[in-house]
Amino acid sequence: DIQMTQSPSSLSAFVGDRVTISCRASQDISNFLAWFQQKPGKTPELLIHGASALHSGVPSRFSGSGSGTDFTLTINSLQPEDAATYYCQKYNSAPWTFGQGTKVEIK
Amino acid sequence: QVQLVQSGAEVKKPGASVKVSCKTSGYTFNTFAMHWVRQAPGQRLEWMGWLNSDNGNTQYSQRFQDRVTITRDKSASTAYLELRSLRPEDTGLYYCVREAQYAGAGSQHWVFEFWGQGTPVTVSS
Repeated sequence: DIQMTQSPSSLSAFVGDRVTISCRASQDISNFLAWFQQKPGKTPELLIHGASALHSGVPSRFSGSGSGTDFTLTINSLQPEDAATYYCQKYNSAPWTFGQGTKVEIK
Repeated sequence: QVQLVQSGAEVKKPGASVKVSCKTSGYTFNTFAMHWVRQAPGQRLEWMGWLNSDNGNTQYSQRFQDRVTITRDKSASTAYLELRSLRPEDTGLYYCVREAQYAGAGSQHWVFEFWGQGTPVTVSS
């Protein structure tokens, strides 16, 4: 099975900072990569699919890039409401594996 | 609008079974696949299996292969997850998730767009 590894596991940044989260697949998954945001006590929400396509209604400060095995989620100008855990997920084939998550805290 | 409403919290003893329901509305049930995802406390999201809502075909994660069954009642627009031989480590939140289709460059992308509210399952003696 393809493994998904995120880094870092957690980070702390100031409002207005640029934040980047990495996700690496153990095999080539082309661009079948999604990013989710999960706030405490809430359901995960789709942010990005196709590695870089912003889901409807998601603020433009979120962006995704990458293809193959290496992917990045970037939050430009971090906002207080962005405090959450972020997960990457491969969806090219079963099993639909998630990364271990990156917890983003606001300083 | 698309809605996935799951059944309520469950408390079970080790060795028992649990069956969680996911009632859908706002779309034609048999036109989109349904997945089930588990989240143990403090752990990552974990895919358990998926259901072809039209023909009932299923595929399960190897981790749960021998203990899980996903079914559906098309007339009730409802999907079900049954997990047997429960262990304390099965404690967590269980989500049903509906796919949505998006066109990519030369390919179709089926992504996890609509999530149920989650059903807490506690396994404890």
